[in-house]
Amino acid sequence: EVKLVESGGGLVQPGRSLKLSCAASGFSFNDYWMGWVRQAPGKGLEWIGEINQDSSTINYTPSLKDKFTISRDNAQNTLYLQMSKLGSEDTAIYYCARARYLDYWGQGVMVTVSS
Amino acid sequence: DVVMTQTPVSLSVAIGQPASISCKSSQSLVGTSGKTYLNWLLQRPGQSPKRLIYLVSKLDSGIPDRFSGSGSETDFTLKISRVEADDLGVYYCLQGTHFPQTFGGGTKLELK
Repeated sequence: EVKLVESGGGLVQPGRSLKLSCAASGFSFNDYWMGWVRQAPGKGLEWIGEINQDSSTINYTPSLKDKFTISRDNAQNTLYLQMSKLGSEDTAIYYCARARYLDYWGQGVMVTVSS
Repeated sequence: DVVMTQTPVSLSVAIGQPASISCKSSQSLVGTSGKTYLNWLLQRPGQSPKRLIYLVSKLDSGIPDRFSGSGSETDFTLKISRVEADDLGVYYCLQGTHFPQTFGGGTKLELK
């Protein structure tokens, strides 16, 4: 069974950084692109970006490129999302998903940016 | 970015009745490979999204054949032949042909 479990969310002050993790199991992690999607409270879905199998290609939605960094550790079957200079507009549930076609999603982790 | 426009925004349907959701893209979703990367997802209340359909009309494993997808180029439709209680939630279309991937605004299916 494919399983994706996000962690690392919580309350963070504006301007600070936060790093999310996504632990993958039930499939061969290093055979797949992986990605992140977010959802602001009561809003729709926003694609953040994706990373290929060996981390040689990382794509970001242009408006978020300077704020987010996606990485992965294939030995640990873990995907990461480093977020910097956070603002209130980044308050959202963050989902990791198996890319490129988002066929499996994690349960999501809440990030709240507030002083 | 490709804009995905879903209609209606909300839909109230009785159990056993059909439902239909439209998704229109601002440009053709036919890729250079000839494939059309249009997915449909369902987000049930309090849950993460789940993919139902990919490549316009292919059902994901375990998805009942009450669901069907159709369309081409810029116009796509998700149909549920007979709505069940488990179908309520928000449906999203998603295009993966053009960078960046973009979602429709969602259609909330409620039970009448």
